[in-house]
Amino acid sequence: QQQVKQSPQSLIVQKGGISIINCAYENTAFDYFPWYQQFPGKGPALLIAIRPDVSEKKEGRFTISFNKSAKQFSLHIMDSQPGDSATYFCAATDSWGKLQFGAGTQVVVTP
Amino acid sequence: NAGVTQTPKFRVLKTGQSMTLLCAQDMNHEYMYWYRQDPGMGLRLIHYSVGEGTTAKGEVPDGYNVSRLKKQNFLLGLESAAPSQTSVYFCASIIGSSYNEQFFGPGTRLTVL
Repeated sequence: QQQVKQSPQSLIVQKGGISIINCAYENTAFDYFPWYQQFPGKGPALLIAIRPDVSEKKEGRFTISFNKSAKQFSLHIMDSQPGDSATYFCAATDSWGKLQFGAGTQVVVTP
Repeated sequence: NAGVTQTPKFRVLKTGQSMTLLCAQDMNHEYMYWYRQDPGMGLRLIHYSVGEGTTAKGEVPDGYNVSRLKKQNFLLGLESAAPSQTSVYFCASIIGSSYNEQFFGPGTRLTVL
């Protein structure tokens, strides 16, 4: 069973809009929560990551919000651009760096 | 630096055949991982290694074996391929702490007929 649940499966957003992807986890041993971006035919690449002692982290147009008590975290993509069209994976890792991935969200940004 | 490289990029096997996937990294990373990616399921960990000569099972290890004889290489073997092993396989490496970026290779697309 999936230890990290991700929603929605897909979303379409207009250029300039906000994309929001949500994830939830069960295992409290997870201590690092990265988001990966993947383009077709490529391997995943780290986008942004957060530790559980921080409630929010922002890097450019990308923001992670983290709610430790609810065991939930989300990715916000502000001012979405066509180049942001990709599949996004949330993940959680333990001390051995073993990543547990969500099922992925395919984001399409329309011009 | 080439980063993480994977060989081959594509392969078609018949049921029962064997093959080895090679992952190489030139970043002197301690930890290496093999994942498989299937539609709608994200990536799942097959096996991993936390140093030369060590290996451990991940979430979906059945039907696969691995070896880490050299720090820079991590091999994934399929002894008797099955159609259920049709997938895209990704190798990744990390410097040695879970709080660092895990670098992924470009993937190997394997089809088992």
